[in-house]
Amino acid sequence: EAGVVQSPRYKIIEKKQPVAFWCNPISGHNTLYWYLQNLGQGPELLIRYENEEAVDDSQLPKDRFSAERLKGVDSTLKIQPAELGDSAVYLCASSFSGTGSGETQYFGPGTRLLVL
Amino acid sequence: DQQVKQNSPSLSVQEGRISILNCDYTNSMFDYFLWYKKYPAEGPTFLISISSIKDKNEDGRFTVFLNKSAKHLSLHIVPSQPGDSAVYFCAASEGTSGSRLTFGEGTQLTVNP
Repeated sequence: EAGVVQSPRYKIIEKKQPVAFWCNPISGHNTLYWYLQNLGQGPELLIRYENEEAVDDSQLPKDRFSAERLKGVDSTLKIQPAELGDSAVYLCASSFSGTGSGETQYFGPGTRLLVL
Repeated sequence: DQQVKQNSPSLSVQEGRISILNCDYTNSMFDYFLWYKKYPAEGPTFLISISSIKDKNEDGRFTVFLNKSAKHLSLHIVPSQPGDSAVYFCAASEGTSGSRLTFGEGTQLTVNP
């Protein structure tokens, strides 16, 4: 079974430029998450989708960050414009939300962003 | 406000000995707890979980203990192996679905041959 796929794996951009990250979840997983991980910290949730609907985006900085999950499968996270403080690893995860308990989130390898 | 804390940034143990990783939380609404393991350049991988109705869950060499009154959980690895060397994250969620996880800062475990 293929895992969560993310691309690109690494991205270097100059500040004020836009950047986009792509995620393909595990087949059959209806819930998709985007996390931000700063160096030396644990992942922090940015947004959670159930199918096409963003059900939890309270931690997403909406002035510069946007996300979409068209057709309830792949997702894209965008930053425009990027700032120096956005340098971090962006993780995508997916899970199957059906039983209502004990969901396990499966993570992709992440995209490491460096803003210069 | 760090609701999940792992106070030890690193831990070093000898192969074959027990590794004990600790995690404290402050939110009494947390009902479901998980441990993830992360190797460099990879995403976190689910290791083991426990719900608040239990105080222990075991899976092979890994055992998680939960002390709700102390708001403390620990992960025991025995015997430790060099391949266990990784960053271990404690995570918690309100409710049992596990859909909104709050992670700790992580503990780097090094198992020396």
